[in-house]
Amino acid sequence: GAVVSQHPSRVICKSGTSVKIECRSLDFQATTMFWYRQFPKQSLMLMATSNEGSKATYEQGVEKDKFLINHASLTLSTLTVTSAHPEDSSFYICSARLQGTALEQYFGPGTRLTVT
Amino acid sequence: GQQLNQSPQSMFIQEGEDVSMNCTSSSIFNTWLWYKQEPGEGPVLLIALYKAGELTSNGRLTAQFGITRKDSFLNISASIPSDVGIYFCAGQLVGTYKYIFGTGTRLKVLA
Repeated sequence: GAVVSQHPSRVICKSGTSVKIECRSLDFQATTMFWYRQFPKQSLMLMATSNEGSKATYEQGVEKDKFLINHASLTLSTLTVTSAHPEDSSFYICSARLQGTALEQYFGPGTRLTVT
Repeated sequence: GQQLNQSPQSMFIQEGEDVSMNCTSSSIFNTWLWYKQEPGEGPVLLIALYKAGELTSNGRLTAQFGITRKDSFLNISASIPSDVGIYFCAGQLVGTYKYIFGTGTRLKVLA
């Protein structure tokens, strides 16, 4: 149980284009999903908290107009990197929290974004 | 962003040895989670700790939630080659469902 998927697993795009990454909870409903960014050999940095049916909450320093988050249902959250630049190249990972008062987070397999 | 201090940064050990790593912070946390991450993959939850002083095991893994609520440790007994990976602690910020991640401990096991 508690399986989270991400799509795509890898994406290469050109500067100036936008990329959408999907995060799905496959066997549970997730009231809250989280988006993280991870640079090589570094830890996970929380970008934003995504709540179903409401606006995402962004961490300090994360541009909400650049990283658009939509949480349209209890099983799907999307992150769109708009007008991507090479410095946006990174490993993006989502996690999901079960409904209710569950405290654990379950992670997706991550999406490797490369902007050329 | 905020991060937890995790040590050691890396460890090279012989197969069969025990491993210990810990996370410390100046902040109090409500919950501690320990994850393992392998290259190119997302972190996998190993152990969850919910209250101060709690000691929990998962197979060869044992983790404890510090009494002060500012630290946690993870022990791996009788290490095997498949234990290789990066281990992260994560502390839940009080009053939120958000977690702050440790800097990671990179473990390599020599057969």
